[in-house]
Amino acid sequence: EVQLVQSGTEVKKPGESLRISCEGSGFMFSSYWITWMRQIPGKGLEWMGRIDASDSFTKYNPSLQGQVTLSVDKSISTAYLQWSSLKASDTATYYCARYSGSYIAPDSWGQGTLVIVSS
Amino acid sequence: EFVLTQSPGTLSLSPGERATLSCRASQSINNNYLAWYQQKPGQGPRLLFYGSSTRPTGIPDRFSGSGSGTDFTLTISRLEPEDFAVYFCHQYGSSPTFGQGTKVE
Repeated sequence: EVQLVQSGTEVKKPGESLRISCEGSGFMFSSYWITWMRQIPGKGLEWMGRIDASDSFTKYNPSLQGQVTLSVDKSISTAYLQWSSLKASDTATYYCARYSGSYIAPDSWGQGTLVIVSS
Repeated sequence: EFVLTQSPGTLSLSPGERATLSCRASQSINNNYLAWYQQKPGQGPRLLFYGSSTRPTGIPDRFSGSGSGTDFTLTISRLEPEDFAVYFCHQYGSSPTFGQGTKVE
């Protein structure tokens, strides 16, 4: 069974750093891109970027470039999304999903990680 | 910027009724890289269609997707109780974007 399992809820203060994870199983992890989305409570989804799990090539949403960093450790089938300095506006639920890079849209999604940034 | 506009924002229907959801793109979507997702509270989205009209294994055939270019439609022929949810369209080409969602209640 294809699964993406994300790390748990995080509560942080503005200015703190954070890394959340997304572990894949049941498929050949390095054959896919891992794409990240965020969803502000009660709002729609925003595409943040994606990373090629085979070579770590990344593509970011231009509106978020420099604010987050995507990385991957294919040896443990895990992708990461990290911030060096969180802001209150980063409060959201973050989803990872696998993407083949072709005609098939991102098909399997993680359960989401809630990040709360509050002083 | 690529914008997807979904309508209506909310669709109030009863089980057994037909639901028709619209997604309009601000520019033509190449290769029909348009997907539909269903999302229920507290869950990640579930892929319903990709390539505008291709249904992944396991998606019931009461769901259908159609359209090309800038106009796309998701139809649920007869609503089941489990179909009441939020539906998003998503263009997954070079600069991916999502519609703002339609809530079927």
